[in-house]
Formats: sequence, structure tokens, C-alpha cells
Amino acid sequence: KNQVEQSPQSLIILEGKNCTLQCNYTVSPFSNLRWYKQDTGRGPVSLTIMTFSENTKSNGRYTATLDADTKQSSLHITASQLSDSASYICVVTVFTGGGNKLTFGTGTQLKVEL
Amino acid sequence: EAGVTQFPSHSVIEKGQTVTLRCDPISGHDNLYWYRRVMGKEIKFLLHFVKESKQDESGMPNNRFLAERTGGTYSTLKVQPAELEDSGVYFCASSQDRDVPSLRGYTFGSGTRLTVV
Repeated sequence: KNQVEQSPQSLIILEGKNCTLQCNYTVSPFSNLRWYKQDTGRGPVSLTIMTFSENTKSNGRYTATLDADTKQSSLHITASQLSDSASYICVVTVFTGGGNKLTFGTGTQLKVEL
Repeated sequence: EAGVTQFPSHSVIEKGQTVTLRCDPISGHDNLYWYRRVMGKEIKFLLHFVKESKQDESGMPNNRFLAERTGGTYSTLKVQPAELEDSGVYFCASSQDRDVPSLRGYTFGSGTRLTVV
């Protein structure tokens, strides 16, 4: 069982609609949680980064929330655009003595249609 | 600034052959990471360089994989001999921060898609 679980696996929405992606994690000790957007054929690009003391972080139309007690995070996309079609990956960072170690979720594949 | 560059973008090789992937990190980034995503699975850590030294190679699957970073600049990841299960996308990432949690995140390359047939 993966230590970072994302849902749904895939999602199709109409342009202009909102959506929320979920991430549950069990990995510890928790350092920070990141949401990445990965376009097809490209590397992941960071959207938001939150430490355990932060509840919410916004980046334009993207808003991430974090509940460190329940170990849950969400990514809300407002007024979706066709260019939002991508894989959205939740990544939890564990800080070890040797540096950061990232644990990735399998991602949610989002498709925005006209 | 230039991003993280990976070469080649795609590689198709036969089982038993050797392939070498290259990663050029952002100039000045001491930390260089290799990750791999196999079909349908999550991205997984392979190893971490700090300059030319291997800081953590706990994710390397077996001794058919050899990573180097001579001079602390670009890195290569060699797979020899390649097996079918090595197929996947190999990502490289670099970051500037060392021993403190990085809030600026990592910069990923576009990846090398390796297909072993």
C-alpha cells in the first residue's frame, strides 16, 4: 500500500467548472507537502508547498489545504481551463539527516473539456 | 535560468543492451536526484547526490544501475544490462538547498522515457 494515496484516479470536468482532488498520506515524520502539475511529456512542476503548520496555500486558481492531524490534503481548482488538463501529484517530504526524501502519490489525471 | 535538462528524451533498446541517461542540473545546484516512474505506478526515488557524492542511494533497484556525477556537475545513470522491467520514465531533479527542508521545491527535468523490448 502506497504511503500517499490520491483520489480520484481520473476526472473529467467541463471548462469553467471547479474541482477538488484529494490526498491522504501515512508517511512520517512529515516535513512538508507539495502539489505538482505534470503535463504529458514534461516533468512535474510545483504548484504549492505547505509545512505542517500551514492550513492553506494558494497559487492563482489553485488552492491547497492541509490537515496535518488527519493527514489529508486537497487541491481545489477554480474556473478550470483546458490547459489545466494534466496529472496532479501529491508529494509528501520527509526530512532525514541526509536531506529531503520525497514520497509521491500516483496522481490524479484531470481532463478539462469544452 | 536554464532548467534541468535530460537526454535523451526517449530511448528504445533491446533487453540485455546498455543505456546511459544524462542529466544536467541547474547551474549551482548541489543536490541532484534521480527518480523513476514505471507504468501505472507512482514516481519513486532512486538516489541523491550532493555535489559528486552519493548522499542516499537506497532507492536503486539493483546493481545493474550505476549513477555517477563526476565533478559534481552533470550526472549519468547507466543501466547494464537492461531488463524489460526497467522500462519507465526516468526523471532528474535538482535543488539548491541542502540540509534544511526546501520550501522552494525541486526543479524537475522532462524525463527520459526508456522502453526495453
